[in-house]
Amino acid sequence: DAKTTQPTSMDCAEGRAANLPCNHSTISGNEYVYWYRQIHSQGPQYIIHGLKNNETNEMASLIITEDRKSSTLILPHATLRDTAVYYCIVRVPYGSSNTGKLIFGQGTTLQVKP
Amino acid sequence: KAGVTQTPRYLIKTRGQQVTLSCSPISGHRSVSWYQQTPGQGLQFLFEYFSETQRNKGNFPGRFSGRQFSNSRSEMNVSTLELGDSALYLCASSLARAGPGLDIQYFGAGTRLSVL
Repeated sequence: DAKTTQPTSMDCAEGRAANLPCNHSTISGNEYVYWYRQIHSQGPQYIIHGLKNNETNEMASLIITEDRKSSTLILPHATLRDTAVYYCIVRVPYGSSNTGKLIFGQGTTLQVKP
Repeated sequence: KAGVTQTPRYLIKTRGQQVTLSCSPISGHRSVSWYQQTPGQGLQFLFEYFSETQRNKGNFPGRFSGRQFSNSRSEMNVSTLELGDSALYLCASSLARAGPGLDIQYFGAGTRLSVL
């Protein structure tokens, strides 16, 4: 079973920031939080990941709470092309026996509206 | 650098047949993982191969098998196809090394299999 809980769907106005929450209350100290998105019928696309510090790249920012029990993916200026299913995944670090296995939940369907 | 390539993109088979899907990882990547995606079950992990060895396996029947070649290319095979095997099959490759960002999985576009 997935170790994360996400809202089923969210809407966001084009040009506004999209904030996608994720709960992972049972996360272990060495597990990472990964975010992927999947645009309709394409393969999932890696967005960002982090352990405990906030992270930012050219696509998004990841905010992880101090207790690491939840996180938020932020798309700063959402466009129509950001409409997709967003998956939050808790993953063991490299070297663990299950490192090659990603466990996907149902994700959040983000609809960006004009 | 070329991404993960899966062939064919679409496939139609009938019940009882077998099928082989191919995945070419990103150059230099050593690990290939396979996933099945269906509307009912979502994305589910099938197995992972690393250096030609199956390193991890999901909860699927033995009809689902795979292998990895010395150049890291991978194939998965499904024998005695059932209607429920209709799905999008995705593979992902990874450098599978220790270090920041060195074990990120990158996905291909998938093979859509329809079983009639």
